[in-house]
Amino acid sequence: DGGITQSPKYLFRKEGQNVTLSCEQNLNHDAMYWYRQDPGQGLRLIYYSQIVNDFQKGDIAEGYSVSREKKESFPLTVTSAQKNPTAFYLCASSIGHSTYEQYFGPGTRLTVT
Amino acid sequence: RKEVEQDPGPFNVPEGATVAFNCTYSNSASQSFFWYRQDCRKEPKLLMSVYSSGNEDGRFTAQLNRASQYISLLIRDSKLSDSATYLCAVWGRILTGGGNKLTFGTGTQLKVEL
Repeated sequence: DGGITQSPKYLFRKEGQNVTLSCEQNLNHDAMYWYRQDPGQGLRLIYYSQIVNDFQKGDIAEGYSVSREKKESFPLTVTSAQKNPTAFYLCASSIGHSTYEQYFGPGTRLTVT
Repeated sequence: RKEVEQDPGPFNVPEGATVAFNCTYSNSASQSFFWYRQDCRKEPKLLMSVYSSGNEDGRFTAQLNRASQYISLLIRDSKLSDSATYLCAVWGRILTGGGNKLTFGTGTQLKVEL
């Protein structure tokens, strides 16, 4: 089955710890994205990658970091510098960074206490 | 003004009703448009792309009005299973910086009742 997987589904961390969220796709898509969703708010773009070894900041990149060493994988690290890390994190991919549809993984709910 | 705006609802409708949502966007140079469906605590799933000529998929019809800068989604003969939040998304140039991105509305909640 082709698709996007994210793990884990739920993640709990103590304040001050870095945490890495996994995102893998087997759709052979070039572009991958990380969004954050908070209650009552739209999806906000954190980082995106158009191609392997390249990534760009989105609207709210502060306190986050990413890597794109393989086409299939785009992990997101939430660092201790992120002031409000508790949120629903969604990874998406697209054929290319253009007018194409984006498809989402099931998401990771991160709770930091 | 928000780049993409939707009425948050909720829209409570009886089963079998026809319901329509609008989504307005501020960037006149926006290039592509989508509707997503999001169930509670799940990821958004692509419902349909919106084409200039309008498009239909079963009970769902999407339309684009470039002159007035809005897209619409019409659901006919609504089912209980249509209850969800419907997000619109607009692809275009980032107004306050370089590059392009997909901007999402905050969603319209639909509740279909018996």
